[in-house]
Amino acid sequence: QSVLTQPPSVSGAPGQRVTISCTGSSSNIGTGFDVHWYQQLPGTAPKLLIYGNINRPSGVPDRFSGSKSGTSASLAITGLQAEDEADYYCQSYDSSLNIWVFGGGTKLTVL
Amino acid sequence: EVQLVESGGGLVQPGGSLRLSCGASGFTFSTYWMTWVRQAPGKGLEWVASIKEDASEEDYLDSLRGRFTISRDNAKNSVYLQMSSLRADDTGLYYCARGRWQQFNYYMDVWGKGTTVTVSS
Repeated sequence: QSVLTQPPSVSGAPGQRVTISCTGSSSNIGTGFDVHWYQQLPGTAPKLLIYGNINRPSGVPDRFSGSKSGTSASLAITGLQAEDEADYYCQSYDSSLNIWVFGGGTKLTVL
Repeated sequence: EVQLVESGGGLVQPGGSLRLSCGASGFTFSTYWMTWVRQAPGKGLEWVASIKEDASEEDYLDSLRGRFTISRDNAKNSVYLQMSSLRADDTGLYYCARGRWQQFNYYMDVWGKGTTVTVSS
């Protein structure tokens, strides 16, 4: 059971907008630690999608955006495409456990 | 091209040991923290260990401390994970990743393809 909680699954039709939440607590996101997001396409290694809550690495489409408020963060994907079907993970730091932590992951299905 | 390539995975009996390696290319290895992350079959990502650029600091998942040791050789552009007293729940895909710091926040911006560790009799 991760200290960062994500919905197990979300889905959306092509072209739609979906959001994936990452809920933490006062010992991680709520303390001010940044949230980072990774995309893991089927059978491949994770790929950095968003860092520092809102920043996109070079090459990541602007259809992907991140936000953070209080003890939670969200990843939004607009203009959903079939190739976005993947597992998505949030990551932060927990000051009580003194470790870097990942959310449990969210499987995005494009209908 | 920035690249990380893991090796050393395999089948090992419970209680056995294994040493994973990760070779880096395309960037100045000695200026980056490095991290190992693992993924059990059908499960999510779990941070395992990280090591500072000059190996002066190592951090571990508490439950693995004492059994796993991270190290690096900057002359060989490589990072290692020595695993001992292996258990069935150590089975999984082990990823090597390059770390980045942004103020007090750490994330992994480059990942290898992983090497598979199977602990079974």
